[in-house]
Amino acid sequence: ETGVTQTPRHLVMGMTNKKSLKCEQHLGHNAMYWYKQSAKKPLELMFVYNFKEQTENNSVPSRFSPECPNSSHLFLHLHTLQPVVSALYLCASSQENRGDYGYTFGSGTRLTVV
Amino acid sequence: LAKTTQPISMDSYEGQEVNITCSHNNIATNDYITWYQQFPSQGPRFIIQGYKTKVTNEVASLFIPADRKSSTLSLPRVSLSDTAVYYCLVGDKPGGSYIPTFGRGTSLIVHP
Repeated sequence: ETGVTQTPRHLVMGMTNKKSLKCEQHLGHNAMYWYKQSAKKPLELMFVYNFKEQTENNSVPSRFSPECPNSSHLFLHLHTLQPVVSALYLCASSQENRGDYGYTFGSGTRLTVV
Repeated sequence: LAKTTQPISMDSYEGQEVNITCSHNNIATNDYITWYQQFPSQGPRFIIQGYKTKVTNEVASLFIPADRKSSTLSLPRVSLSDTAVYYCLVGDKPGGSYIPTFGRGTSLIVHP
């Protein structure tokens, strides 16, 4: 365990379903991130939250809706997705959203859209 | 935006020292250089971070020349379990928000 817990580990959903990914950390970090990793592609940053405020949305479609109720929890709400977005979704946290702090990643949620 | 360039892949043998170099010609004054290791179907794991000169911890060393336009991750005496993808990360800070951007990484394969 890294200190960042993601649930579920695997998720299969239909194109008309609504589901949510959950990320939780008790490291005392104030910044949290969502990344997407497709097969044989670099990690793509999706969202950045710093002290519960969203500071970055990397042109992500509204079908992916993040929520950060407090500094310890981060959600990614999913709806009306296409199979092409099937990928490993990774959550990370850091002390703050600054370059001199390292990131702690969770093990990811493997999402399959059918 | 700061961009990193690394070799796509490298091969080594158990017990050898491995050096992976990352180019970051457009690194900004305030940027730190961070390296991560990733195994299949897992999130990346922090290895080491530095700003200039040399940094060493229990698993690796990081060498950064004076111009900071490149950096080299050194793994001493690799084992089979070091087979992974290694990412060099340099921060971007457009508009004041730090954007941690990963490149394609270097796939290291350690042979027996």
